Amino acid sequence: RKEVEQDPGPFNVPEGATVAFNCTYSNSASQSFFWYRQDCRKEPKLLMSVYSSGNEDGRFTAQLNRASQYISLLIRDSKLSDSATYLCVVTSGTYKYIFGTGTRLKVLA
Amino acid sequence: EPEVTQTPSHQVTQMGQEVILRCVPISNHLYFYWYRQILGQKVEFLVSFYNNEISEKSEIFDDQFSVERPDGSNFTLKIRSTKLEDSAMYFCASSQRTVYNEQFFGPGTRLTVL
Repeated sequence: RKEVEQDPGPFNVPEGATVAFNCTYSNSASQSFFWYRQDCRKEPKLLMSVYSSGNEDGRFTAQLNRASQYISLLIRDSKLSDSATYLCVVTSGTYKYIFGTGTRLKVLA
Repeated sequence: EPEVTQTPSHQVTQMGQEVILRCVPISNHLYFYWYRQILGQKVEFLVSFYNNEISEKSEIFDDQFSVERPDGSNFTLKIRSTKLEDSAMYFCASSQRTVYNEQFFGPGTRLTVL
């Protein structure tokens, strides 16, 4: 089983839609969780840290489910500028990041 | 807003040559990292560096690789004898010592080995 798994997509959604991504992780001792955004051939940019209680930042909501070992990202009212690859990141006992392969999102006009 | 910078943005080299990739982390950060991303694949951890020594490295980071912080600002990755399969985007990242250890990435150096 991969350490961090994501559906690669692409998810094609119309502007204004709500879209959700899930990410599963294999190590139950994982400690920190993040969502990063990556535009084509650019660096990963931090979107949100994922807290145990869940957190929200504007149109973006992240949730953590430790029992089922997954994290989720919900994007409401999608904008064209949200088109990107969304990377799930996990740390497990050290500071190194373990990345998923990413989920591609295309928001269509 | 402070950011991580990397030079060069693109490096082309011949197989067997040495390359040095340079990074300037965010100034008050204490942890430094190198990651790589082969085209079409996921981002992979190479090495982390703290207090002037390697704190962790992956299987990819073999004897051909080394890191150094030669002064108070630069952080370098050296590949001694490049191979075709070293062609990738190399990202430097840095972080403060916080509970969540959020890492901030530089724009990357695209390394092409011919």
